[in-house]
Amino acid sequence: GAGVSQSPRYKVAKRGQDVALRCDPISGHVSLFWYQQALGQGPEFLTYFQNEAQLDKSGLPSDRFFAERPEGSVSTLKIQRTQQEDSAVYLCASSLSTANTEAFFGQGTRLTVV
Amino acid sequence: AQSVTQPDIHITVSEGASLELRCNYSYGATPYLFWYVQSPGQGLQLLLKYFSGDTLVQGIKGFEAEFKRSQSSFNLRKPSVHWSDAAEYFCAALDGGSQGNLIFGKGTKLSVKP
Repeated sequence: GAGVSQSPRYKVAKRGQDVALRCDPISGHVSLFWYQQALGQGPEFLTYFQNEAQLDKSGLPSDRFFAERPEGSVSTLKIQRTQQEDSAVYLCASSLSTANTEAFFGQGTRLTVV
Repeated sequence: AQSVTQPDIHITVSEGASLELRCNYSYGATPYLFWYVQSPGQGLQLLLKYFSGDTLVQGIKGFEAEFKRSQSSFNLRKPSVHWSDAAEYFCAALDGGSQGNLIFGKGTKLSVKP
């Protein structure tokens, strides 16, 4: 596709369940970013990849959050033992350059933990 | 700590009226500055960005923004608002210490009256 694709668009998880969120960046984009957007808030940075290397994971809120991009293309954000406070929209963005100076965002995955 | 502040949570303007959305940043040096728009259920779309040079930058959809170092501001303007401009607007700054850590404000929701 022409844009950043995220799946699923919506996910309902029971508390304690593990979830995996997928991001397909624009083909050829070097950089990939994950953000978390809580209701009524702006997006908050989670982690950043340059190709397959995870260069910054300072925004991951706990060790229950894990992201990977093994072949430098598709990325997966995994949340283990989900908690209610994990409920948010998870946004993925990709950029042709090595910095987030012109990133294209996907539509996001809305995660609801019940 | 570095931060981006959008003082107005919600603004309502009449169609055809002018618009100004406020953004203030707190950084030691001049950061890279951005404005994004988010329509319901959609990802973030980049409207414009400022890196250096001319302090008045033009963006898509008739928007412009002016960087004022003395006021630490980067306000978004549009001379004549259209009903389709109703959306949420986010100001963001790129953290100089990280290539990926875009820091977002909390957003301003724009409503347009017919």
